[in-house]
Amino acid sequence: GDSVTQTEGQVALSEEDFLTIHCNYSASGYPTLFWYVQYPGEGPQLLFRASRDKEKGSSRGFEATYDKGTTSFHLRKASVQESDSAVYYCALSEGADRLTFGKGTQLIIQP
Amino acid sequence: GGIITQTPKFLIGQEGQKLTLKCQQNFNHDTMYWYRQDSGKGLRLIYYSITENDLQKGDLSEGYDASREKKSSFSLTVTSAQKNEMAVFLCASSIAGQISGNTLYFGEGSRLIVV
Repeated sequence: GDSVTQTEGQVALSEEDFLTIHCNYSASGYPTLFWYVQYPGEGPQLLFRASRDKEKGSSRGFEATYDKGTTSFHLRKASVQESDSAVYYCALSEGADRLTFGKGTQLIIQP
Repeated sequence: GGIITQTPKFLIGQEGQKLTLKCQQNFNHDTMYWYRQDSGKGLRLIYYSITENDLQKGDLSEGYDASREKKSSFSLTVTSAQKNEMAVFLCASSIAGQISGNTLYFGEGSRLIVV
């Protein structure tokens, strides 16, 4: 079945550092890829999505590019802020009424 | 805008007890979901429903029942609570059809505590 593998556990950075959270997927077809963010005490919310090879999704300074060749959708941000501290989930959908999520990556930004 | 309301926010029960979580949405969305969130394991789908009275099993449905009483509400029952089921349960909704083009909206979660 479909699966998503992302950077495990926690990523700890200082403000203004460059962020990369890796996401690789396995799917039989041509999925749509998503990044969701979950702040403390809240439910996950959509950051952005991409549905075609080489399409770039972006929001709030975060971006990721759909790469069908390497089956990847890595999340990047050039300069993180303390307010970016959250859990980030990579997910995919192959058009059915459901998403498959990765295990989540906790981002901790130290001031 | 709309909102998803999950009740209760904390549910404390005893081992072996049947416990029910409720979810209401006012987006007028067709599809609703229940996910379980465990630290280090991500979000795993328990049940979803694409319309009133419809139920579809997810990857983690064993030990749970669900009911879509009406379009706006979706409840989840833990049939016999166990201590290894302590987790956060997240309800979500989306417009029916191709989820690829539709956003999933989540509630704030309900934490299950089994004593």
